[in-house]
Amino acid sequence: DIQMTQSPASLSASLGETVTIECLASEDIYSNLAWYQQKPGKSPQLLIYYANSLNDGVPSRFSGSGSGTQYSLKINSLQSEDVSIYFCQQNYDSPPWTFGGGTKLELK
Amino acid sequence: EVQLVESGGGLVQPGRSLKLSCLASGFTFSNYGMNWIRQAPGKGLEWVASISSSSSYIYYADTVKGRFTISRDNAKNTLYLQMTSLRSEDTALYYCARQSLGFAYWGQGTLVTVSS
Repeated sequence: DIQMTQSPASLSASLGETVTIECLASEDIYSNLAWYQQKPGKSPQLLIYYANSLNDGVPSRFSGSGSGTQYSLKINSLQSEDVSIYFCQQNYDSPPWTFGGGTKLELK
Repeated sequence: EVQLVESGGGLVQPGRSLKLSCLASGFTFSNYGMNWIRQAPGKGLEWVASISSSSSYIYYADTVKGRFTISRDNAKNTLYLQMTSLRSEDTALYYCARQSLGFAYWGQGTLVTVSS
């Protein structure tokens, strides 16, 4: 099974700051990577698919990049509504699909 | 509007069974693979099971293989998860999610608590 290692586990940043979350796959996943945002008490929402494609309705301050085994999610100009937990997830080939452990983003 | 509504969760004793349902609307259910994903209280996301659009392909996480069964009824636009031999570690919020370039749509989840 492909393992996903996400870092950092928690992150504190100020409004307007740029933050980056990393995800490392245990093998090449050929950009088959998604990022999700989960606000407290809510279901996860898809932000990015195929490593760098923005899902409909997602603000352009979110972006994804990476290839092979290394991927990142960048949030430009952090807003208060971005306080959430973020998860990466690989969907290469066939299941089992695996998620990263999550990154809790808080305001400083 | 795509909607996924889970039901069937509740409090159940260890070793007992429970069947979850997910009613889909707002899209052609029979065209999409579907998944169950769970989240233990205060924990991360764990993929549980997947089923292809025509039920030809079915996959399970090792943690539930042999105990859980995913199925679907395309005529009723409904996804199911039959859970048997439940354990305390199965306690979680269970989401159904539609498969397409990731999990683009999620339900609100149904809570399963396994406790004596």
